[in-house]
Amino acid sequence: GENVEQHPSTLSVQEGDSAVIKCTYSDSASNYFPWYKQELGKRPQLIIDIRSNVGEKKDQRIAVTLNKTAKHFSLHITETQPEDSAVYFCAASRSSGSARQLTFGSGTQLTVLP
Amino acid sequence: SQTIHQWPATLVQPVGSPLSLECTVEGTSNPNLYWYRQAAGRGLQLLFYSVGIGQISSEVPQNLSASRPQDRQFILSSKKLLLSDSGFYLCAWRRTGIEAFFGQGTRLTVV
Repeated sequence: GENVEQHPSTLSVQEGDSAVIKCTYSDSASNYFPWYKQELGKRPQLIIDIRSNVGEKKDQRIAVTLNKTAKHFSLHITETQPEDSAVYFCAASRSSGSARQLTFGSGTQLTVLP
Repeated sequence: SQTIHQWPATLVQPVGSPLSLECTVEGTSNPNLYWYRQAAGRGLQLLFYSVGIGQISSEVPQNLSASRPQDRQFILSSKKLLLSDSGFYLCAWRRTGIEAFFGQGTRLTVV
């Protein structure tokens, strides 16, 4: 089955700096890669996703890049703000197949220091 | 639009007591349904998933069980809670190939 590894587990940045979180996956058939943000005590919510037919996607201060050859994808947050502080999860999935095929990384605790 | 409801939001239960958490989905049919647990407030541990009524797959052998009596209803149960069952429980639904949508979560404390 799929295995998703996420790094780093914790990340502290100064407000206004950029933050980068990286994930690798093992299943070459995975073609959908969502990123979730979970604030303390709340549910994870999708912030951005990317499919394997593109290498990069951007939404304001958030961008995701995908390297299918190397089987890794990254989340980039620019001009970080205190409200970006949260736990971020990456995930990988196939577009077909077993319902089991949505695998999450272990999460990154991002702290933006004012 | 689709919505997912999960309750209760918080629960304090004594060791040895039973548990029943309920999750319902509206606005979609035949969803894939999931129960996750976050024991340490971080990693999402998949407990159970279901692709249809009465179809339950268990990911981790444990003190919990799940049932899907209706298409859009997913229940997490235990006959006797353990201290180690404490955690944040999340129900989710998705269709293959798209994002997962999570319920608000249940903070369970076993005392």
